[in-house]
Parts: sequence; C-alpha cells; structure tokens
Amino acid sequence: AQSVTQLGSHVSVSEGALVLLRCNYSSSVPPYLFWYVQYPNQGLQLLLKYTSAATLVKGINGFEAEFKKSETSFHLTKPSAHMSDAAEYFCAVSDPGGSQGNLIFGKGTKLSVKP
Amino acid sequence: DAMVIQNPRYQVTQFGKPVTLSCSQTLNHNVMYWYQQKSSQAPKLLFHYYDKDFNNEADTPDNFQSRRPNTSFCFLDIRSPGLGDAAMYLCATSREGRQGGTQHFGDGTRLSIL
Repeated sequence: AQSVTQLGSHVSVSEGALVLLRCNYSSSVPPYLFWYVQYPNQGLQLLLKYTSAATLVKGINGFEAEFKKSETSFHLTKPSAHMSDAAEYFCAVSDPGGSQGNLIFGKGTKLSVKP
Repeated sequence: DAMVIQNPRYQVTQFGKPVTLSCSQTLNHNVMYWYQQKSSQAPKLLFHYYDKDFNNEADTPDNFQSRRPNTSFCFLDIRSPGLGDAAMYLCATSREGRQGGTQHFGDGTRLSIL
C-alpha cells in the first residue's frame, strides 16, 4: 500500500534561511508525488508535483523538490525563507490502487518563520 | 477566475441536527472530492464523484452522504452530526481524475457542533 511519511511535524527557520521539509514515500509502482501548502483557514494549494518527468521539480513561490528513487524521498526546499512561507505543508502520493486520482496525504509539517 | 467555492465558510449546528455543506466549481471538472480535516491532521478522503458515479471510501461513516445534481455543484450532508464530526470540510476537483492529476481545493467549511 502507498504511504507518505513527513519527518518533523514542526519546522522553524529564520527569515532568509534555507527551508527543508522532508517527505519519504513507499510505493510498489512509480509514484506521482505532490506538495501542497495550506494557510490558516484556507484550502490546499498545489506547490508542485512529480509525474515521472524531470526529477527536479520547480514550483510556485520559489519552492522546488527533488525526486530520489534510491532514497524514496521527495523533499521540499526553498533557498531563502520569507515570512509569508509560514504555513502547513503536505506531501501526498497518488494512490494507484484507488480510482480517479485519489491522494494519500502525509500528516503535514507546520513551518514557522522567525524574523 | 475559475475556482472552487465552498459555502458557508463557517457553519455551526447542534448535536444531531442535519447539516448540508455546499461546493460549486467553475472549472468544469469531472471529478469532485470531499475531505474531512481535523485539527493538525491530514485531509481524509470521504468520497468522490466521477461525473455522476459515486465512490465511497470504505471507512466513511454512514452518517455522511453526498449529492451531485450537476457538474458544477456537490453537497455534503451529515444526517446526525456528533461532536466528533467537528472539522474542516474541504471540497476539491480534478479534470479527469487520472493518476497524477492536480486537485484544486476550495477554502473549506469549518463545522462546529454545539
């Protein structure tokens, strides 16, 4: 069965510092992987997704993620954190056993950015 | 702008009193999803429609029902809300529901139970 593990429920960085949010997946077939961001009292917004094209995926707001099959990882990075990046981030994988593109989400990582 | 709209943003109901949450979309997407998200947890899929075909997740309580009268609208009905049903409810759509397809989310309805 597919699953996603996000290491660290809370991550705190200083403004201008590197952001690294970790995501590992388990999959018996090539996965489709997503990162979504959720601001307080809002829905989820797609940051980026991997669908078996380039392993380095660039997304919105300066975020990118690298698919590493050997490490079963899809970590999200941003070189320089901004205060507006404070939010909750969810990694997700498409469920090949499900229908209609169902997503399996990780438990989320809350990012805090200190001035 | 094409979007997914959920109404109301905040809903308060009484224990056991039926409540309906609504979702509309201007994206003309085939698939509509309903998720439940409790505080500090990941969204949990309740069910989805592919066109008019309804797909219920195995662990979705019978208390939760859904209707999709047309492509644009989808409703979540909670027949007898319990205190454990207090949560954010998120609606999402995708064009074809294929693997790797992007889901577009509304801003959610936060449901409180008195």
